[in-house]
Parts: sequence; C-alpha cells; structure tokens
Amino acid sequence: QVQLQESGPGLVKPSQTLSLTCTVSGGSISSGDYYWSWIRQPPGKGLEWIGYIYYSGSTYYNPSLKSRVTISVDTSKNQFSLKLSSVTAADTAVYYCARVSIAAAVLDYWGQGTLVTVSS
Amino acid sequence: QSALTQPASVSGSPGQSITISCTGTSSDVGGYNYVSWYQQHPGKAPKLMIYEVSNRPSGVSNRFSGSKSGNTASLTISGLQAEDEADYYCSSYTSSSTLGYVFGTGTKVTVL
Repeated sequence: QVQLQESGPGLVKPSQTLSLTCTVSGGSISSGDYYWSWIRQPPGKGLEWIGYIYYSGSTYYNPSLKSRVTISVDTSKNQFSLKLSSVTAADTAVYYCARVSIAAAVLDYWGQGTLVTVSS
Repeated sequence: QSALTQPASVSGSPGQSITISCTGTSSDVGGYNYVSWYQQHPGKAPKLMIYEVSNRPSGVSNRFSGSKSGNTASLTISGLQAEDEADYYCSSYTSSSTLGYVFGTGTKVTVL
C-alpha cells in the first residue's frame, strides 16, 4: 500500500520561503507511471494545484504560482519537495502531496496534509 | 485555466439519490474521458471515488456512479447515507493549461 507523508514547518514568516517534503513509502518514486504532485487548500476553500514532478526531474507548475514555486525530487530517499518563495498570508493553507497516475490522469494516493500558516 | 463549475451545495434525505454536476469545456471535460471525483470529509485528505468518468476504485461503494454528457460530468450518489455528507470535487485533464489538470469548485453535500 502506497503511503505519502508531508513534513516541514507549520509556521512561516511573510516574505520567507515555505519548504515541505513528501516521503513516499510502499512504492518507488522512480516508477515511470506516475507524477508526484503538490496541491493546497486554503481554510474553507477549494483545492488548488501547485504543480508536479516526474522522477526524471521534469516539472509542471500552476502558471499562477510558477514564478515562486520549485518542486524537486530525490529518488535515493524516495522523496520529493516543495519550495514556495516570498510567501504571504494568502499562502496559508493545508498542503497535500499526492500521486498522479499518468494513464488515468487521477490522483490515486494522497498524504494526510499539513497546515502551513504564514504569520509574523 | 478556470476551475470546472460545480454547484456550491446539494442536499438530500437518507435513501434518496442526488447528482452533482461538473461543467467544463471541450478542452477538458468534453474532450477527454479523464474526469475523476474526490470525496473530502472535514479535516481529512480527499479520497478518490471515481476515475475515467465512470470507473470505481476497489473499495468504493457501488452507490457512487459517474457519467458524462458533452461538457458536463456528473456524480450520482444513490441510497444516500449520513456518511456521504462531505465535500466533493471533480477534476479533469485539460489541454488548455500547461499544468494539464484542473479541479472543480467543489460541492458540499448535506444529508438532511
């Protein structure tokens, strides 16, 4: 059974960089059948794509966040990471990592999510 | 890329059937059979309920079914139960964004 687990600081100061890591267990992040994604959900609001990465390092970002987002992968640790720079209160959200099954264009496994609050 | 349009809320009594719509364009819902549906209970991660328009993952109740007509996809919940009260999101592959995927606006299902 594939499991994903987010980790990282729950509080980030405005203008700083938000950094999260997703650890994948029960499956290899190097499988060519999947993308590895980040999705966020502001309190009381809907789901928003941040972006995703292929094991080779190819990345795809939400155009609205592209200038501030970096997603990277570490296949040796079976992890992938998110960096979001110059954060503001609008970036306060629950951040989820999830696996995308490329063939079915579906998010089939999700992490439990982690709340990141941007506040001084 | 605009979000797919869902009704903000849908309600029904236990045992009834309800349908949630998800409206897009020919560049997403209408153009591809890659519509999926997710259930999200408060404080929990979304859970995959339907993929490729009408397929159910193993373990998902057959009370949940999906369909599509033109640019609108639908999720039907039959025999509504209290545990079905949750938020539901559709998603689709899209050719109109470099990202390739788009979510719906979300629907709150209330069991009366």
